Amino acid sequence: NAGVTQTPKFRVLKTGQSMTLLCAQDMNHEYMYWYRQDPGMGLRLIHYSVGEGTTAKGEVPDGYNVSRLKKQNFLLGLESAAPSQTSVYFCASSYEAGSEQYFGPGTRLTVT
Amino acid sequence: GENVEQHPSTLSVQEGDSAVIKCTYSDSASNYFPWYKQELGKRPQLIIDIRSNVGEKKDQRIAVTLNKTAKHFSLHITETQPEDSAVYFCAASSYSSASKIIFGSGTRLSIRP
Repeated sequence: NAGVTQTPKFRVLKTGQSMTLLCAQDMNHEYMYWYRQDPGMGLRLIHYSVGEGTTAKGEVPDGYNVSRLKKQNFLLGLESAAPSQTSVYFCASSYEAGSEQYFGPGTRLTVT
Repeated sequence: GENVEQHPSTLSVQEGDSAVIKCTYSDSASNYFPWYKQELGKRPQLIIDIRSNVGEKKDQRIAVTLNKTAKHFSLHITETQPEDSAVYFCAASSYSSASKIIFGSGTRLSIRP
C-alpha cells in the first residue's frame, strides 16, 4: 500500500497564479484533511472532509478551496496565490475523527 | 479561540537521559490526544496517543500522561537515543468533530552524544 501520496512535491508560483494540489489515499479512509505547516506554528487545519462529496472549513480556510469527488482523492486549490501562502502543505487521512492521522510527504510551495 | 500550548520549544538532553514535553489545552470537549514525531524533511508520524478515559499509557521508552482536570498532558521519553532527535507535536482533538483538532507549535528535541 502506498498510504497517502501528494503531488507535486515542490512548486513555485507567481502572485496571482492558481494551482491544485492532489492528495490520494489507498486506505479507504473516510476522513481527509489539508494542513499548512509554517515555522514555529505547528500544523494548522485548512479544510477537511468527512466523506466523499463533503467538505468543511478548518482553522485557516481563506484563500483555499477543496473538493472530494472521489473517496480516495482530496484536492486543494489556490485560485489566486499570495506570498502569505508560502508554506509546506500536508494532506492526511484517518478512519474517524478521533483516531490516528496518516500524513502524506508534503508539498513545499513558494509564492513570489 | 481554542488553543494548545506546548513547552519547551527546544530541548537538548544527554543521550541516555529522559526528556519531557508538556502541553496544555483549552477546549474541555477534547478527548483524544495524539503525539506526532517529525524528522527533518519528513512527514509527521504518530508515536503514541491517549484517550480521555485513561490517565497514562506506555509503549516501551515512550509514555504519555493526561490530567483532564488541569487540561494538561505530557510526553515522556526515557533512555534517549540519537534517533529520538526530531520535532514532536502534541494535539488535542475530539471524536465528535474533525474540525476540533488543534496542534501545538512543536518541540525540537536534540540528543547530545
